[in-house]
Amino acid sequence: EVQLVESGGGLVQPGRSLRLSCAASGFIFDNSAMHWVRQAPGKGLEWVSGISWNSGSIGYADSVRGRFTISRDNARNSLYLQMNSLRAEDTALYYCAKNMSPYCGGDCRPNAVDHWGQGTLVTVSS
Amino acid sequence: DIQMTQSPASLPASVGDRVTITCRTSHSINTYINWYQQKPGKAPKLLVYSASNLPSGVPSRFSGSGFGTDFNLTISSLQREDFATYYCQQSYSTPPFGQGTKVEI
Repeated sequence: EVQLVESGGGLVQPGRSLRLSCAASGFIFDNSAMHWVRQAPGKGLEWVSGISWNSGSIGYADSVRGRFTISRDNARNSLYLQMNSLRAEDTALYYCAKNMSPYCGGDCRPNAVDHWGQGTLVTVSS
Repeated sequence: DIQMTQSPASLPASVGDRVTITCRTSHSINTYINWYQQKPGKAPKLLVYSASNLPSGVPSRFSGSGFGTDFNLTISSLQREDFATYYCQQSYSTPPFGQGTKVEI
C-alpha cells in the first residue's frame, strides 16, 4: 500500500523558515516524480513544486520561486520542501503527491498524481 | 501560456442525476488532462487520467472525454458519496489545476 506521510508543518512567523518532509513507502520511490501541492483554507488546489525521479528536472510555481526549494533523497525514500521568507499567503495544507510517471510535465508540473498524503498544515502568522 | 477554465463553479444536483463538468483550454493539450475528486477534510483522489482512463477502483459511472481544448468529466448516475469538489488538471502551463466544481445537493 502506497503511503505518503508529511511532517514539519506548524505555526511560524512571517519571514521565518520551515522545512517539510514526506516519508514514502509502498512503492519504488525513485520510479516516480514527486510534487508538493497546497490548499489554503477554503480554497482550491495549488501546485507548489515538482521534482523528477533523479532530481534532474525541478519546477516551481511563480508564487514560491526563489523562496522554496524542493529536494529528494531516494536512499531515504523522502521528499523535502525548504520554505524560506514565509508569508501569510503561504498559509495552507501542504500535500506530498506522487506522480504517475518518473518524469514531470513541462517545468516539472504534474502529469497525473495517483497518490496523495494527508497533508501538513503550515500557518504563517505573527 | 495556456489558459484553462473549469465550469461550472457550483453544480446543484440530486441522487441519480447525470452530471457533466467541463474544462476548456486556450490551446490544444491533446489528451493531457486529469480529473480529481476531493471530499471535505480529505486529500484529493485521481478519478481520470489522460482524458479518459480510469484508475483501478474508480466506479464505472465516472467517465472522461475530450481531445484538444474541450474536456468533460461525466457522472452517469450521481450517488450520495459523489457529492464533492472536482478539479481538472493539465501539465502544459501554470497553474495546472482548474478552479474546482462543487457538486452539491
